[in-house]
Amino acid sequence: DIQVTQSPSSLSASVGDTVNITCRTSQTISNSLNWYQKKPGKAPQLLIYAASRLQSGLPSRFSGSGSGTDFALTISSLQPEDFATYYCQQGYSSPPYSFGQGTKLEIK
Amino acid sequence: EVQLVDSGGGLVQPGGSLRLSCVASGFSFSSYLMTWVRQAPGKGLEWVANIKQDGGEKDYVDSVKGRFTISRDNAKNSLYLQINGLRVDDTAVYYCARGPTKGNGLDYWGQGTLVTVSS
Repeated sequence: DIQVTQSPSSLSASVGDTVNITCRTSQTISNSLNWYQKKPGKAPQLLIYAASRLQSGLPSRFSGSGSGTDFALTISSLQPEDFATYYCQQGYSSPPYSFGQGTKLEIK
Repeated sequence: EVQLVDSGGGLVQPGGSLRLSCVASGFSFSSYLMTWVRQAPGKGLEWVANIKQDGGEKDYVDSVKGRFTISRDNAKNSLYLQINGLRVDDTAVYYCARGPTKGNGLDYWGQGTLVTVSS
């Protein structure tokens, strides 16, 4: 099974900042990496799929990059509604399609 | 509008069973692979199982193999998760989700249903 390691586990930032969250997989997965936002009491929301493709209707301050084993989610010009927990998920080949451990983004 | 509505959660004793349901609307349900994901209290997301469009191929995370069964009824636009032999560490909010489609992630999610395993 493919292991997914996400870092950092928590991050403190201010409105207007730019933050980066990284995800590393235990074997190469091409660009089969997705990013989700999760807020308490709500269902997860798909942000980025195929490593760098922004889900329809979402603001362009969210961007993704990477391929192979190393990936990143960048959130530019943080807005108050962006403070949440973020998860990466690998979708390569066959299941299990494991998630990273999550990154909790908090207001400084 | 795509909608997924989860139901069937509740309080159950260790060793008990539950059947979770997810009713889909607003898209061609039979054309999509479907997935169950769970989140235990204070923990991260965990991929649990998925099922191919015709129900012929199913996959599970190791920790639920032999206890959980995913199924679907395309005529009723419904996805199910039969959970047997419940353990305390199965306590979680369970979400159904659409996908993944080729190269895409899980693009629509149900609101979740809480399963609590306690004596």
